[in-house]
Amino acid sequence: QSALTQPPSASGSPGQSVTISCTGSNSDVGGYNYVSWYQQHPDKAPKLIIYDVDKRPSGVPDRFSGSKSGNTASLTVSGLQDDDEADYYCSSFAGFNNFAVFGTGTKVTVL
Amino acid sequence: QVQLQESGPGLVKPSETLSLTCTVSGSSISSFYWSWIRQSPGRGLEWLGYVEHHGRTEQIPSLSSRVTISVDLSTSQFSLKLRSVTASDTAVYYCARGVYGAYFDSWGQGTLVTVSS
Repeated sequence: QSALTQPPSASGSPGQSVTISCTGSNSDVGGYNYVSWYQQHPDKAPKLIIYDVDKRPSGVPDRFSGSKSGNTASLTVSGLQDDDEADYYCSSFAGFNNFAVFGTGTKVTVL
Repeated sequence: QVQLQESGPGLVKPSETLSLTCTVSGSSISSFYWSWIRQSPGRGLEWLGYVEHHGRTEQIPSLSSRVTISVDLSTSQFSLKLRSVTASDTAVYYCARGVYGAYFDSWGQGTLVTVSS
């Protein structure tokens, strides 16, 4: 199972929006509405910020939003803040014998 | 509040077995997919496998011959064994609580395991 494809980097100024894509296949992203996104600060564990394509866990600001079209999912971070500077990973269900496949990761820089 | 904590050796010799344990607190072991995920610079995040409370397991196909995951309900722990390790198994290993739909809502802090003689 290949990793999902994300752009290596993205950037924006404070207050702007940035959108990160996550491209998979019919076997993962396109086959299920089970895409999740994680934020990871340096030397920290990943933190769940989006699940089931577009749902936010309690406590995650609504500046974070998710969507999906075909085999590509997207994460949009609106109103960029300094603390949003982090690595972001997507993940998708890919069947119970290959439960979760992760994306290659995107480093978001707040200019 | 759910907490997960990995424990185990930080250094393993090539060809030996990597063994890690994750202790769960603040959550029932039931109804979740208790998972091991690793992160290395060359590979990013990689799901390795999960165990359910009744002992059913799944592993990533590419590692299934080397991976064993088990659960001990009496101690609220689950464990990872990775046999015949090589330098490419050097990574930060995380334990995580998986939910139906394959998202991970709680993670341990991670533990670095280095494979070296």
